[in-house]
Amino acid sequence: DQQVKQNSPSLSVQEGRISILNCDYTNSMFDYFLWYKKYPAEGPTFLISISSIKDKNEDGRFTVFLNKSAKHLSLHIVPSQPGDSAVYFCAARAGNNRKLIWGLGTSLAVNP
Amino acid sequence: DVKVTQSSRYLVKRTGEKVFLECVQDMDHENMFWYRQDPGLGLRLIYFSYDVKMKEKGDIPEGYSVSREKKERFSLILESASTNQTSMYLCASSSTLIRGVEDQPQHFGDGTRLSIL
Repeated sequence: DQQVKQNSPSLSVQEGRISILNCDYTNSMFDYFLWYKKYPAEGPTFLISISSIKDKNEDGRFTVFLNKSAKHLSLHIVPSQPGDSAVYFCAARAGNNRKLIWGLGTSLAVNP
Repeated sequence: DVKVTQSSRYLVKRTGEKVFLECVQDMDHENMFWYRQDPGLGLRLIYFSYDVKMKEKGDIPEGYSVSREKKERFSLILESASTNQTSMYLCASSSTLIRGVEDQPQHFGDGTRLSIL
């Protein structure tokens, strides 16, 4: 049973517009959430994270929003660029557990 | 910057062979992980280690073993390779969690694309 769900396998956006990638989770013990970006034939690259004590974290063009009551988080990319085209993974962790629980990823295509 | 290096980008082996995948990190991280990534299945954890000579099973340990003799090196071993172990293998490392300190993400190598014929 998927504890971290990325319900959209793919997303297509025009360059310069906002990309919104969504992630839902079921385990209320999760207290730390991460987003990774992955290009083909490369390992995932850490993008941004958020602790459950916050509801927003920003880093340049990337903002992650956390809605604990809805068990939902989203990654906003503004403005989107063609170089942002990649697979984005959402991951979560509970307490001191070293393991991350991963979503299946969303493939983002940013069209020029 | 954290550097996680996997020994091979591409590897082709035969069914029944014993296969070694090596991973080295240069940031003195306590924790190291082995994943496999398959289309439509995301990242699945095979084994992880939180200290030298320590290991814990992940979600899909069957057919694999690991070795961590030194802190910087974590090896994944396919005891007798089978075609269903054809996959992209990813190694990651992270530092130990410290309460009250901003959490530390896992850092990944570039992966080994392993084909078992």
